[in-house]
Amino acid sequence: KNQVEQSPQSLIILEGKNCTLQCNYTVSPFSNLRWYKQDTGRGPVSLTIMTFSENTKSNGRYTATLDADTKQSSLHITASQLSDSASYICVVSAYNQGGKLIFGQGTELSVKP
Amino acid sequence: KAGVTQTPRYLIKTRGQQVTLSCSPISGHRSVSWYQQTPGQGLQFLFEYFSETQRNKGNFPGRFSGRQFSNSRSEMNVSTLELGDSALYLCASSSLRGGNTEAFFGQGTRLTVV
Repeated sequence: KNQVEQSPQSLIILEGKNCTLQCNYTVSPFSNLRWYKQDTGRGPVSLTIMTFSENTKSNGRYTATLDADTKQSSLHITASQLSDSASYICVVSAYNQGGKLIFGQGTELSVKP
Repeated sequence: KAGVTQTPRYLIKTRGQQVTLSCSPISGHRSVSWYQQTPGQGLQFLFEYFSETQRNKGNFPGRFSGRQFSNSRSEMNVSTLELGDSALYLCASSSLRGGNTEAFFGQGTRLTVV
């Protein structure tokens, strides 16, 4: 069964600190892995998209890594800001499933002053 | 360039009623996918439309249906509403189907069934 699991479920950090969110997937055949940020009450916004051949991609203070062999990904946030408080969702696309995306449950990040 | 527009933003319906939600994709995008988001289940795929044809369908009962028009705008319909249908319904548009094409999400329609 195609699944995406994220950890931790929630995380509280102090402003300025770094943090790393984890994602494990069993989706096959793998096409790409995306990280989305979702603010409360709003639609998800794409942070990164990585294919099988890419093992790291950055978007400002966000850096995603991908290990396609172990089927694991991480999202590292550097020098966190209050505006980083949101749900971070790992999303995987299967090669033969067109536009269907498989979502993890998300990690709820809270950045405190 | 305007983003993905979903209407209405909020909706309250009674059990047994039906509801229609609308999604206008980004201009030029031909693929529209619908998702249901609930606190317990997270985001779950409902269906995908491309060039007015349903290309993919998730594991939802037949009460959930959709369609896409020639201008790529899409509607989803839920008949005989149940309390469990209360959720945030999101649509995403992309220029192509699948691959590494980026999907852009709308703000969603918050449906409450009472």
